[in-house]
Amino acid sequence: QSALTQPASVSGSPGQSITISCTGTSSDVGSSNFVSWYQQHPGKAPKLMIYEVSKRPSGVSNRFSAFKSGNTASLTISGLQAEDEADYYCCSYAGSSTSWVFGGGTKLTVL
Amino acid sequence: EVQLVESGGGLVQPGGSLRLSCAASGFTFNNYWMHWVRQAPGKGLVWVSRIKSDGTTTAYAGSVKGRFTISRDNAKNTLYLQMNSLRAEDTAVYYCARGDCSGTSCQFDPWGQGTLVTVSS
Repeated sequence: QSALTQPASVSGSPGQSITISCTGTSSDVGSSNFVSWYQQHPGKAPKLMIYEVSKRPSGVSNRFSAFKSGNTASLTISGLQAEDEADYYCCSYAGSSTSWVFGGGTKLTVL
Repeated sequence: EVQLVESGGGLVQPGGSLRLSCAASGFTFNNYWMHWVRQAPGKGLVWVSRIKSDGTTTAYAGSVKGRFTISRDNAKNTLYLQMNSLRAEDTAVYYCARGDCSGTSCQFDPWGQGTLVTVSS
């Protein structure tokens, strides 16, 4: 099972909005509501930011939003802040045999 | 506080074995599926294995199938990963993560801090 496809890097200035795409196939992103997004700061464990395609866990800023269209999921961060600078990974369930697949990760730089 | 703490990582020679542990606290461990996810140095996250809440069902990524064994001791609130026939490409930080699932959603939350496994001669 190949990793989901994410851009290697994105950047934006404080206050701006950015969107990170995550492209899979009809066997994973396209057929699953088990799509989630994780934030990882250097040397730290990943943190859940979005689950079930577009839902935010309690404690996650409403500046983070996400949706899915077909085989592509997207994460948008609005009102960029310096603390948002991190790596972001999408993840999808891919069926009982393959189980779970992650994206390759996107490094967000806040200029 | 929900917490996962991994241990057991270290330096091992190619072909060697290592057993990782993940101690869980702050939640009812035997109610949850558990997972191992790894991250090679400078690379992305890769799902490795999962085990059902009662330990009866397991699954593995193709790259580790037949070499790694996931298990759990619900009496000790501990998850394990037995790694045999280790290869250089198994070098990574290994994270344990709780499978937080309901009828309509399933995600990894929370994650442990990770334990580094280095396979090298």
